[in-house]
Amino acid sequence: GDSVTQMEGPVTLSEEAFLTINCTYTATGYPSLFWYVQYPGEGLQLLLKATKADDKGSNKGFEATYRKETTSFHLEKGSVQVSDSAVYFCALSSSGLTGGGNKLTFGTGTQLKVEL
Amino acid sequence: DAMVIQNPRYQVTQFGKPVTLSCSQTLNHNVMYWYQQKSSQAPKLLFHYYDKDFNNEADTPDNFQSRRPNTSFCFLDIRSPGLGDAAMYLCATSRERRGNSPLHFGNGTRLTVT
Repeated sequence: GDSVTQMEGPVTLSEEAFLTINCTYTATGYPSLFWYVQYPGEGLQLLLKATKADDKGSNKGFEATYRKETTSFHLEKGSVQVSDSAVYFCALSSSGLTGGGNKLTFGTGTQLKVEL
Repeated sequence: DAMVIQNPRYQVTQFGKPVTLSCSQTLNHNVMYWYQQKSSQAPKLLFHYYDKDFNNEADTPDNFQSRRPNTSFCFLDIRSPGLGDAAMYLCATSRERRGNSPLHFGNGTRLTVT
């Protein structure tokens, strides 16, 4: 079945440091890939997405490129801020649900802590 | 702003006492989902509706039920909550059936079972 593997956290960085959170996946077919962010006490928010190989998703200074050859979708940001502290989930989506809809398979999440 | 709204944000119930969590959406999306997220874990899909068609995940306990009376509302009923059901419950919607259609999540309801 489909699966997503993320690097374990917590990741602790100083403000303005470079961020990479690794994500690799296993899936049949051609899934869409997503990064979601969860701030403390809140639900998940879509951060960025990519729907086909070599697509680059970007938002709020974060980027990730869909690499089919390495089955990866690593999240990067050039300069993190304290406000980026949150849990980041990598996910893939296949249209495999009975009755329509799509199913998100999540990684276990990576907690990011950014300090001054 | 169009959004997914969950009420209440925090719910406390007693062991074995039925509880209902609510979700509404103003996005007019066809698909609605319920996820369970336990502490420091990934969200786990419980079930989803495509329009009025209900679909259960194979490993969702029978203790969990859902209702979708109309496009805008969806409810999660836990018939006899156990201590292991304490979690954050997330409602989500998507417009399309296709896999590239992102999910839109509410802020969740944190359920405590005493």
